[in-house]
Amino acid sequence: EADIYQTPRYLVIGTGKKITLECSQTMGHDKMYWYQQDPGMELHLIHYSYGVNSTEKGDLSSESTVSRIRTEHFPLTLESARPSHTSQYLCASMRLGDTQYFGPGTRLTVL
Amino acid sequence: AQSVTQPDIHITVSEGASLELRCNYSYGATPYLFWYVQSPGQGLQLLLKYFSGDTLVQGIKGFEAEFKRSQSSFNLRKPSVHWSDAAEYFCAVGGYSSASKIIFGSGTRLSIRP
Repeated sequence: EADIYQTPRYLVIGTGKKITLECSQTMGHDKMYWYQQDPGMELHLIHYSYGVNSTEKGDLSSESTVSRIRTEHFPLTLESARPSHTSQYLCASMRLGDTQYFGPGTRLTVL
Repeated sequence: AQSVTQPDIHITVSEGASLELRCNYSYGATPYLFWYVQSPGQGLQLLLKYFSGDTLVQGIKGFEAEFKRSQSSFNLRKPSVHWSDAAEYFCAVGGYSSASKIIFGSGTRLSIRP
């Protein structure tokens, strides 16, 4: 069983607020990912990282930003949340040549 | 172009019946193939993976998948489904490279008829 954690699990917040979604893994994986997923829909890659100080934008444009200061930590930040940001956000990590392990997700609702 | 196609958006089967979920991929190099399952409001859990070797792969929860290179397919099967198998299933493809990303299909929602 993989050890990857996301907090909070659920977040309801007003428009214009700054939020940070946390993602941590204890497996020492170099690669980490953020996906956005609407209910019942496919996953969209929004950010990924190959390692410390590496961040890349994914296939889906996102107003969020990420940072990778430590191997185990890959937080995602929205400077000013909007209703269009309402979605589920999934974090994953991977070791080269292995599979991705997913966290439980954060369900974000912006009012 | 690299892609994964899951042609069935929603499948309903009776409890105890057999199941096959289809997955076709397009990938330029030797593919690594995965099946994940997602329960509502949860993250994705790996069911099984194929990297090399035997093309019939056994996974958790009684699932198996067969890699057919000639058909570019990696279909998921289970001989007898249980009500707890109702979930969303995602097929994915990736490669052994530091630059490789895993590409996910759009998912197949499985419903179980009592």
